[in-house]
Amino acid sequence: GAGVSQSPSNKVTEKGKDVELRCDPISGHTALYWYRQSLGQGLEFLIYFQGNSAPDKSGLPSDRFSAERTGGSVSTLTIQRTQQEDSAVYLCASSLGRGVSGRASNEQFFGPGTRLTVL
Amino acid sequence: EDKVVQSPLSLVVHEGDTVTLNCSYEVTNFRSLLWYKQEKKAPTFLFMLTSSGIEKKSGRLSSILDKKELFSILNITATQTGDSAVYLCAVETPGGKLYGGATNKLIFGTGTLLAVQP
Repeated sequence: GAGVSQSPSNKVTEKGKDVELRCDPISGHTALYWYRQSLGQGLEFLIYFQGNSAPDKSGLPSDRFSAERTGGSVSTLTIQRTQQEDSAVYLCASSLGRGVSGRASNEQFFGPGTRLTVL
Repeated sequence: EDKVVQSPLSLVVHEGDTVTLNCSYEVTNFRSLLWYKQEKKAPTFLFMLTSSGIEKKSGRLSSILDKKELFSILNITATQTGDSAVYLCAVETPGGKLYGGATNKLIFGTGTLLAVQP
């Protein structure tokens, strides 16, 4: 398919374990975003990648959270020593990134998300 | 701190009603305001607004931005049960210090849960 894909769709883990969430952006999209949506909350920005440049990590809630993007495409969000408050839906989005004018083109296409449950 | 506030938090209407969803914002640097519809997990894009007073329309949905009063509204006329969803408002603001500020991130409100009853 041509959309953003994420895996797994659901993940149940025990407190203290590490988890890895994967995102495959739309081909050709240089910008990739991770968001978190807790129950009853809005989308919370976590991290943003643009091309091969250093990411904007300003939204990561703690140093247990990290993300990488290999080859400017697939991204992995890693949560170490998971806590119950990490339970949420983790959404990935991609966009074209910088447009012809140099300004970022911001229509973001979202993946289906990964529902993380920490017991 | 940048923030986006949506109201009401939830709304129940009957088919055929018209609804107005509100979004107000306070951000240091505003680039655009976006509306999304979220039915299951992934939000889908509805509108992007950058200029005040220019209405964007798509079928029964329309939206307008007021950059002076720092708010936007999303209108849905002749509502249908398929309109039931969470409607998210987001403001685009410069993100990291890359490309002289040309990067961006979205700050989302908590959403308005709309339920349309038959």
